[in-house]
Amino acid sequence: AQSVTQPDIHITVSEGASLELRCNYSYGATPYLFWYVQSPGQGLQLLLKYFSGDTLVQGIKGFEAEFKRSQSSFNLRKPSVHWSDAAEYFCAVGDILTGGGNKLTFGTGTQLKVEL
Amino acid sequence: KAGVTQTPRYLIKTRGQQVTLSCSPISGHRSVSWYQQTPGQGLQFLFEYFSETQRNKGNFPGRFSGRQFSNSRSEMNVSTLELGDSALYLCASSLGLAGETQYFGPGTRLTVL
Repeated sequence: AQSVTQPDIHITVSEGASLELRCNYSYGATPYLFWYVQSPGQGLQLLLKYFSGDTLVQGIKGFEAEFKRSQSSFNLRKPSVHWSDAAEYFCAVGDILTGGGNKLTFGTGTQLKVEL
Repeated sequence: KAGVTQTPRYLIKTRGQQVTLSCSPISGHRSVSWYQQTPGQGLQFLFEYFSETQRNKGNFPGRFSGRQFSNSRSEMNVSTLELGDSALYLCASSLGLAGETQYFGPGTRLTVL
């Protein structure tokens, strides 16, 4: 079965510093990978996605992620963090089901705190 | 284009009651999925509906059910509520094709007392 691991539960960075959030996945085929962000009490907002092709994908709000098949990783990066980036970040793998359709399997999330 | 909407946003129920949550997908989207989010279990897939049919189901008891209407709007029902059902219930819509991105609504916060 597919799974997603986000090894860092909490991360604190200073505003203006660079950020990398780790994500490792387990999936039998080429995965569909996503990063979502969730602000307190809100739903999930899509940051970026990887389906195929270029392994470095650009997303919204200055985020990017790199797919590394050899390491089964899909780490999220941002060169300079803003205070408004404080939120919880979820990595997810999309499972294409035999009956059609999609199911997302999420990691446990990484809570990002930004120090001013 | 309007996003995914969920009603109500907050709900308080007591054990043993039942509850119905509603989700309106993005216009043109035919697939609606439901997820439960709790601090202990994280985000878990409940089920997916496509063209009024339940296409996929997660590992939840039969107390959790849903349906989808011809306009793609979906409802989720939980019967005989338990304290452990307290959670944020998120609805996501997509075109329904393989690998399509799912767009999430703001969620319904259910508290069971």
